[in-house]
Amino acid sequence: DAGVIQSPRHEVTEMGQEVTLRCKPISGHDYLFWYRQTMMRGLELLIYFNNNVPIDDSGMPEDRFSAKMPNASFSTLKIQPSEPRDSAVYFCASSAGTGRKAGELFFGEGSRLTVL
Amino acid sequence: DQQVKQNSPSLSVQEGRISILNCDYTNSMFDYFLWYKKYPAEGPTFLISISSIKDKNEDGRFTVFLNKSAKHLSLHIVPSQPGDSAVYFCAASTSSNTGKLIFGQGTTLQVKP
Repeated sequence: DAGVIQSPRHEVTEMGQEVTLRCKPISGHDYLFWYRQTMMRGLELLIYFNNNVPIDDSGMPEDRFSAKMPNASFSTLKIQPSEPRDSAVYFCASSAGTGRKAGELFFGEGSRLTVL
Repeated sequence: DQQVKQNSPSLSVQEGRISILNCDYTNSMFDYFLWYKKYPAEGPTFLISISSIKDKNEDGRFTVFLNKSAKHLSLHIVPSQPGDSAVYFCAASTSSNTGKLIFGQGTTLQVKP
């Protein structure tokens, strides 16, 4: 079975440019999460969706960040304009089930973003 | 405010010995705890979990212990194997928001042959 698929795996861009990260969750999973990993802050939850609806976006750093989930098989995380401090590895994860199983996440391989 | 803390950035043990990874939390509302393992260039993978109604959960070589009064949990790996070398993250959630995991900073485990 295919796992969580993220693209691109690596992105190098210049400050001020728009960045779009993409995620395809595991089929049948109804939760989708976007995390960011940095050396300083570890793994931070940015936003998560349940049945395509954003549930908690309190981790989104600022208005430059936006996330959408137009259908059950696709989500995007957009940064516009990008800044050097956005450089990090961005993970998408999905999970299934209710209650505690919602926390047993399946992660993608991550998108490494470098903003020059 | 770091609600979940892993104070040891790294740990090195000899193959066959026990590895003990520690995690502390500050939020008393957390009632479900998980451990994830991460290899380089891969996403984290779920390893083991424990509910606050238990103080121990075991799965093969991996055992998680929970001390609620101390707000402390630990992951024991016995015996440690070189393939266990990875970054280990602990995470916590509340029953009111089971999908929202708060992760610690991670501990890099190196198991030497």
